[in-house]
Amino acid sequence: EIVLTQSPGTLSLSPGERATLSCRASQSVSSSYLAWYQQKPGQAPRLLIYGASSRATGIPDRFSGSGSGTDFTLTISRLEPEDFAVYYCQQRSNWPPTFGGGTKVEIK
Amino acid sequence: EVQLVESGGGLVQPGGSLRLSCVASGFTFSSYRMTWVRQAPGKGLEWVANIKQDGGDIYYVDSVKGRFSISRDNAKNSLYLQMNSLRAEDTAVYYCARVEMGELRFWGQGTLVTVSS
Repeated sequence: EIVLTQSPGTLSLSPGERATLSCRASQSVSSSYLAWYQQKPGQAPRLLIYGASSRATGIPDRFSGSGSGTDFTLTISRLEPEDFAVYYCQQRSNWPPTFGGGTKVEIK
Repeated sequence: EVQLVESGGGLVQPGGSLRLSCVASGFTFSSYRMTWVRQAPGKGLEWVANIKQDGGDIYYVDSVKGRFSISRDNAKNSLYLQMNSLRAEDTAVYYCARVEMGELRFWGQGTLVTVSS
């Protein structure tokens, strides 16, 4: 099973600041099969990024994804109030699909 | 409007059984692979099981193999998860999700399963 380690666990930032979230895999993941999800309290997760760098429908362009192999990054260029949430990376390169432990982006 | 509505959660004793349902509307259910994902309270996400459009190609995460069974009824636009021999560690919100090009592009709001004596 591929283990995804996300860092930091919590990111304390102010609106307007840039957020950089990391996802490291225990073995190489095909970029085509790396996704990022956003989850707000009491809500289901929402797909943000798929294929490591493609935005899902309706996702603002302040969200971007990059990376390859074992190191992937989600960047939020300028945080909006609605962006404070928990973010999960997820791979489906190998069965079972696995999620990282999440990074909480909180208001500083 | 695409909707996925889960039901069937609740409190069950260890060793007990529950059957979760997910009713789909607003899209052609039979055209999509479906999955169940769970989230223990305050914890991260775990992919539980997958099922192909025709009910084939079923896969489970190791932690539920032999205890959980995923199925679907395309005539009823419904997805199911039969959960037997439940353990405390199965306590979670269970989400059904629609799979598109491999990604979980649409999710229900979840149903809470609590396993406790």
